Amino acid sequence: DGGITQSPKYLFRKEGQNVTLSCEQNLNHDAMYWYRQDPGQGLRLIYYSQIVNDFQKGDIAEGYSVSREKKESFPLTVTSAQKNPTAFYLCASSISPDHQPQHFGDGTRLSIL
Amino acid sequence: AQSVTQPDIHITVSEGASLELRCNYSYGATPYLFWYVQSPGQGLQLLLKYFSGDTLVQGIKGFEAEFKRSQSSFNLRKPSVHWSDAAEYFCAVGTGNQFYFGTGTSLTVIP
Repeated sequence: DGGITQSPKYLFRKEGQNVTLSCEQNLNHDAMYWYRQDPGQGLRLIYYSQIVNDFQKGDIAEGYSVSREKKESFPLTVTSAQKNPTAFYLCASSISPDHQPQHFGDGTRLSIL
Repeated sequence: AQSVTQPDIHITVSEGASLELRCNYSYGATPYLFWYVQSPGQGLQLLLKYFSGDTLVQGIKGFEAEFKRSQSSFNLRKPSVHWSDAAEYFCAVGTGNQFYFGTGTSLTVIP
């Protein structure tokens, strides 16, 4: 079955440490997205990518970085510059960047030790 | 700027009762509209979508939604709620190459 796989499901970060969240899709979708979810705030867009080797900042990109070297993969790095990284992170993809519904992975919960 | 408003943060209904979750959007043109459902600790699952045509759209799990241009609304409905419908529901607007999500409505179902 096609889908989006996020790993790990739970991740812990020490102060000053960078961590990378994995997102892989086998849906052959061009566009991929990273969202951050906090209680009562819905989903906020961190970064998105419309095509391989291209990505754009979303509304809350500070303290995060991404890469899109392969169509299937869109890893998110939470850097030490992100002062409040504790959240639920969701990866999504869509067939094309414009208007198509987005398909979501099951998320990664990041916590600070 | 585009925005999506879900005015009800939390709703409680009895099992078997009808349900309506409200969604209002702000966008200059006719948007692409979606409803998603999220169970605790899980990702979002698409319930239904509206692109054009018939303003009453049917989705999975017995849900439907009606697009009302004059009210800039896209409310989600279900005639008879089941205990398994307890979850968080998100309305979303697709414009250009981005999605805008509402802050969600949490649904509790009581026996």
